[in-house]
Amino acid sequence: DIQLTQSPSSLSASVGDRVTIACRASESVTNELNWYQQKGGEAPKLLIVDATTLKTGVPPRFSGSGSGTEFSLTISSLHPEDFATYFCQHGYSMPWTFGHGTKVEIK
Amino acid sequence: QVQLVQSEAELKKPGASVRISCKTSGYNFKDNALHWVRQAPGQRLEWLGWVNAGDGDTSYSYKFRARVTISGDTPTTTAYMELRRLTSEDTAVYFCARGPRIPFFGSYHFDYWGQGTLITVSS
Repeated sequence: DIQLTQSPSSLSASVGDRVTIACRASESVTNELNWYQQKGGEAPKLLIVDATTLKTGVPPRFSGSGSGTEFSLTISSLHPEDFATYFCQHGYSMPWTFGHGTKVEIK
Repeated sequence: QVQLVQSEAELKKPGASVRISCKTSGYNFKDNALHWVRQAPGQRLEWLGWVNAGDGDTSYSYKFRARVTISGDTPTTTAYMELRRLTSEDTAVYFCARGPRIPFFGSYHFDYWGQGTLITVSS
């Protein structure tokens, strides 16, 4: 199975800060990497597909980059509603696996 | 709008089986696959398997293959997941999630999720 390692596990930031979350795959997944946001016990929400493509309706302050084994999610200016946990997931081959998550907390 | 509404929480004893449901609406049921993904306390999300709603084809993670059955019912646009021989390690929130019909070429993803069903396994 392809393992996904996210860093950091958590971070504290303020409204308006720029935040970057990394996701490393144990082997190349080309560009087949997706990002999700999860608030509390709610269902995850899909943010980005194919490493860089924002899902319709996702604010442009979110962006994704990377290919192969190294990926990142950037929030250019944190809004209050962005404090949540973010997961990466590879869509390359079954079994699809997820990163352990990065919790973005208010400083 | 697309909605996935799951059944209520379950409390089961070790060794028992559980079957939970995921009622879908707002799209053509046959056009997509439905997956089950679980989240145990403090653990990462874990994919269990899928059913292609259009043809009933299924596939499972090898970790769960011997214990899980996923199915879809077209008339009621509902997907089901049965997990057998439960242990305390199966205590988790189980999500259904919609994905593109399989086979799919591109980054496979889950675009809509149910609200989650807590399954607690305890004696």
